[in-house]
Amino acid sequence: EAGVVQSPRYKIIEKKQPVAFWCNPISGHNTLYWYLQNLGQGPELLIRYENEEAVDDSQLPKDRFSAERLKGVDSTLKIQPAELGDSAVYLCASSFGIYNEQFFGPGTRLTVL
Amino acid sequence: TQLLEQSPQFLSIQEGENLTVYCNSSSVFSSLQWYRQEPGEGPVLLVTVVTGGEVKKLKRLTFQFGDARKDSSLHITAAQPGDTGLYLCAGVYGNKLVFGAGTILRVKS
Repeated sequence: EAGVVQSPRYKIIEKKQPVAFWCNPISGHNTLYWYLQNLGQGPELLIRYENEEAVDDSQLPKDRFSAERLKGVDSTLKIQPAELGDSAVYLCASSFGIYNEQFFGPGTRLTVL
Repeated sequence: TQLLEQSPQFLSIQEGENLTVYCNSSSVFSSLQWYRQEPGEGPVLLVTVVTGGEVKKLKRLTFQFGDARKDSSLHITAAQPGDTGLYLCAGVYGNKLVFGAGTILRVKS
């Protein structure tokens, strides 16, 4: 069974530029998450989808961040414009079942210069 | 406010030593998960504990869930260099999963 796929793995951009991350979850997993992780810290939830519906986006900075999950499968997270403080690892995860056990992708490491 | 406190933040030990890391909260979890994360990779689920007082073993790793379901511990026996990584606990509150800040473990050979 293929795991969660994320691309790109690394991205370096200048501040004020836009950037987008893509995630393909495990087949059959209806719930998809985007997390932000700073170095040596635990993941922090940005947004959670149930199928194509964003059911928790309370921690998403909506002035510059947006996300979509068309057809309830793949998802894209966008930042526009990026700021220096956005440098972090962006993790995508999917889950299935009552305990919300997370299956994570390898993440995208974003560096904003 | 950090809902989940993990301790210690960092642990450096010699191969063969035993260690315990802790995960504490003032809130009650419906369930709790432990993950291990290696550099450049996403966290990988190790175990889920659900019942207060539950103990689960995974080879040299022993996970315990507190009776009141507010705390948990991970004990590693005879640590190996391959155990090096960031250990994260994550508690389920209603339909939300909240991660602790993690314990960075380094096992030296």
